[in-house]
Amino acid sequence: DSGVTQTPKHLITATGQRVTLRCSPRSGDLSVYWYQQSLDQGLQFLIQYYNGEERAKGNILERFSAQQFPDLHSELNLSSLELGDSALYFCASSVGLGGKQPQHFGDGTRLSIL
Amino acid sequence: GESVGLHLPTLSVQEGDNSIINCAYSNSASDYFIWYKQESGKGPQFIIDIRSNMDKRQGQRVTVLLNKTVKHLSLQIAATQPGDSAVYFCAEGARTSYGKLTFGQGTILTVHP
Repeated sequence: DSGVTQTPKHLITATGQRVTLRCSPRSGDLSVYWYQQSLDQGLQFLIQYYNGEERAKGNILERFSAQQFPDLHSELNLSSLELGDSALYFCASSVGLGGKQPQHFGDGTRLSIL
Repeated sequence: GESVGLHLPTLSVQEGDNSIINCAYSNSASDYFIWYKQESGKGPQFIIDIRSNMDKRQGQRVTVLLNKTVKHLSLQIAATQPGDSAVYFCAEGARTSYGKLTFGQGTILTVHP
């Protein structure tokens, strides 16, 4: 058990809809990261928050947004969903800003768009 | 159009053998490297990491080797067990990119009893 909690484990929805994925980091970790894992793209970094502030951004679509709350949990919002958004979405956390410390991953949310 | 999945390299070994999983990285600015193990239905699990000022690091039954000259990373697993069967990913990070990790495509390791 990594200590990172993600909910829900599975989400099934339709094109055009909006969903929210939630992540609770390990106790004491200030950074939260979001990754997308798909069959054709592998594991792709989306965005990082550190202590409530956005710190790094990857190839995150404009339809996607995230935030980190004062209690350090994070949410990833996906809107105007398309079939291609079907993927596993992972949250990870680390103690500091990152760069030279391991990230610990949750077990992901599987998003299926019908 | 039809999406094409990644074709992951595979490594098949017998229980008790040593396994070596290789990874090439692309960014010369990367100064931190990490190996993860991912089992079916689970998130990536941290195995071992290494910084660019080192060329070797050992953990429990695992060793990571880093060759910066040819931008190559390897993970050695000693006395491989069936429970080691999983997909293994290398990832690279750069201090200037904060925590962004760039993952390799992964290698499927299958250990036969």
